[in-house]
Amino acid sequence: AQKITQTQPGMFVQEKEAVTLDCTYDTSDQSYGLFWYKQPSSGEMIFLIYQGSYDEQNATEGRYSLNFQKARKSANLVISASQLGDSAMYFCAMRGSYIPTFGRGTSLIVHP
Amino acid sequence: EAGVAQSPRYKIIEKRQSVAFWCNPISGHATLYWYQQILGQGPKLLIQFQNNGVVDDSQLPKDRFSAERLKGVDSTLKIQPAKLEDSAVYLCASSLGLANTGELFFGEGSRLTVL
Repeated sequence: AQKITQTQPGMFVQEKEAVTLDCTYDTSDQSYGLFWYKQPSSGEMIFLIYQGSYDEQNATEGRYSLNFQKARKSANLVISASQLGDSAMYFCAMRGSYIPTFGRGTSLIVHP
Repeated sequence: EAGVAQSPRYKIIEKRQSVAFWCNPISGHATLYWYQQILGQGPKLLIQFQNNGVVDDSQLPKDRFSAERLKGVDSTLKIQPAKLEDSAVYLCASSLGLANTGELFFGEGSRLTVL
């Protein structure tokens, strides 16, 4: 089986500051993918960033980067230079040999 | 490229009634997923199709939920009879295949309220 844990129900950040959203995972797979999605209040799930278990470098996509620490089984999302539009729910997810699994999410609020 | 289409966007029914949701995945995507997202929680997979075959339906409450993808393209998720706890957003997603490197593309969801 596999499991995704997001321990931060809510996070607050000042506009233009950086914020880290935590994600830990558990799996018996050797090969797997880790994903982060953003869900604004409108409800759609927007793909942000992907990290493969064999990727040696941390993934980056614009202002998003994934701090992948394989030995600790963590895949934290770092958002740099936060914007008001970043206020949303953020979900960490995993694909391996099991069904794609999502965490419970972290609510991020960006203050002006 | 057209995204994942879902309908209806909103549905309000009374308990014990039935409801059906429709999903058309991105063209060429072999894998289709139905997720249930209860308010304040993460999406929970109900069923996963590869073409027109079921890959996993272990979390589908089969006494009341059913889903099909007869021609390997669009899919229908049905609830009959609905319970109050079925109130949720039903998200359809698709991906190119089963490889763990590919992201899931989601539709806008169908919000169900059971009264």
